[in-house]
Amino acid sequence: KAGVTQTPRYLIKTRGQQVTLSCSPISGHRSVSWYQQTPGQGLQFLFEYFSETQRNKGNFPGRFSGRQFSNSRSEMNVSTLELGDSALYLCASSLAPGGANTGELFFGEGSRLTVL
Amino acid sequence: GDSVTQMEGPVTLSEEAFLTINCTYTATGYPSLFWYVQYPGEGLQLLLKATKADDKGSNKGFEATYRKETTSFHLEKGSVQVSDSAVYFCALIGYGQNFVFGPGTRLSVLP
Repeated sequence: KAGVTQTPRYLIKTRGQQVTLSCSPISGHRSVSWYQQTPGQGLQFLFEYFSETQRNKGNFPGRFSGRQFSNSRSEMNVSTLELGDSALYLCASSLAPGGANTGELFFGEGSRLTVL
Repeated sequence: GDSVTQMEGPVTLSEEAFLTINCTYTATGYPSLFWYVQYPGEGLQLLLKATKADDKGSNKGFEATYRKETTSFHLEKGSVQVSDSAVYFCALIGYGQNFVFGPGTRLSVLP
């Protein structure tokens, strides 16, 4: 079956702009989590959605937001981009919230954002 | 809060060498423990897991044992291959919580 699909794979923005990233989970998965990966900070949890509701949120400013649609697809948005937002943004899906039951997250290949 | 500590590397080994990547954790309760691997240009994928104390997870020649007394989950492989070159992440999840990942350890295996 198809894996987790993230679009776009690469994008370049300038400071002050906003960006929207998309994630299509594995069919049947209702939980979608987002992570920011940087060389200095590793993987940091942004938020998780389950059945269109935000279940948990990490320690990021309000410029980072997300949503989930009825078909479980998710988007995350970053407004007023800063240089420090340059990172690989990873989406992961699972059957249940937090990867419960199977304990496994299925990751996409990520969207690499560069802010100039 | 919960946290995971692992050796950051990079770790460079020759093919067929023995691999150990140390991982220790801090968590309330009894979390499930995982090793994820990220190959170049790809997302993370689950390598192995253990859900309770003394469980041993294994996959593709890799092994890790859940040691509650030392709060550790060290990754080992007896003979690494060039194709094992990747970044390895130790992670945990507590009940009702989210995954917490370690910083990752980059492994390079030379032929």
